[in-house]
Amino acid sequence: GAGVSQSPRYKVAKRGQDVALRCDPISGHVSLFWYQQALGQGPEFLTYFQNEAQLDKSGLPSDRFFAERPEGSVSTLKIQRTQQEDSAVYLCASSLLGTGREKLFFGSGTQLSVL
Amino acid sequence: QQPVQSPQAVILREGEDAVINCSSSKALYSVHWYRQKHGEAPVFLMILLKGGEQKGHDKISASFNEKKQQSSLYLTASQLSYSGTYFCGTLTMTTDSWGKLQFGAGTQVVVTP
Repeated sequence: GAGVSQSPRYKVAKRGQDVALRCDPISGHVSLFWYQQALGQGPEFLTYFQNEAQLDKSGLPSDRFFAERPEGSVSTLKIQRTQQEDSAVYLCASSLLGTGREKLFFGSGTQLSVL
Repeated sequence: QQPVQSPQAVILREGEDAVINCSSSKALYSVHWYRQKHGEAPVFLMILLKGGEQKGHDKISASFNEKKQQSSLYLTASQLSYSGTYFCGTLTMTTDSWGKLQFGAGTQVVVTP
C-alpha cells in the first residue's frame, strides 16, 4: 500500500473487554514497530518485529498486551482485560530494514478509549 | 532510557528562528527527528548518525554532538507549516535491539502570522 494503515481509527471499550488493533505496514517493509502515545507525550516503545520474529517486547506494559505478525506482514496488537490506563493512541510504524539507520513510516494510529 | 527535550514549547512569529535540544544520558548511535501535527502520524524529518554530522531539510537543519550526547534541531525563518510537535528519537550504543527507538516528550512549536 501507499502508507502504513491502521484500523480501527477509534475504539471505545468497556473496562475488562479485549481489543485487537490492526496494522498494515508498507509492502515489503521488513520491520514493524508498535508505540503507545499518551495525550501530550511522546511515543513510547512497545515492541518490534523483523519479519515474523518478535525481536524486542521489552516495552509491553504487562502480560495483558500481546502482539503478533504471523506471516511477516500484517500485525495485530491485542490487549486483554482492558484497563482505563490503557487509554492512548497506539501507533504502528514500519521500516524497510530496521537497522537504526533509516526512517520509520508511521500510521495515523488507533485511539483507544477505555471507559 | 528516554531522551530529554527542551524547551517544552515555543511560540514564534513567522520568519523567526528556534532551536530544539535533545539530550541523552547514554552514548548515542543515532538521533531521529519527527514532526507530528495534531491527530496525524509523526512524519520523518531526518536521521543523524554518530560522527557529529549536520543535516538539512529545507530550512530545518540539525546537528549531532557525540561528545555531549545531544542533538539540536534548528528551525530557520519559520513558516506557518512548521507548527506541530517535534520529537527526537534516540538509539544508544547500549540499546539491546536496533528496533528500540525511544522518543522524548516532544516540543510543541506554534508559528503565528
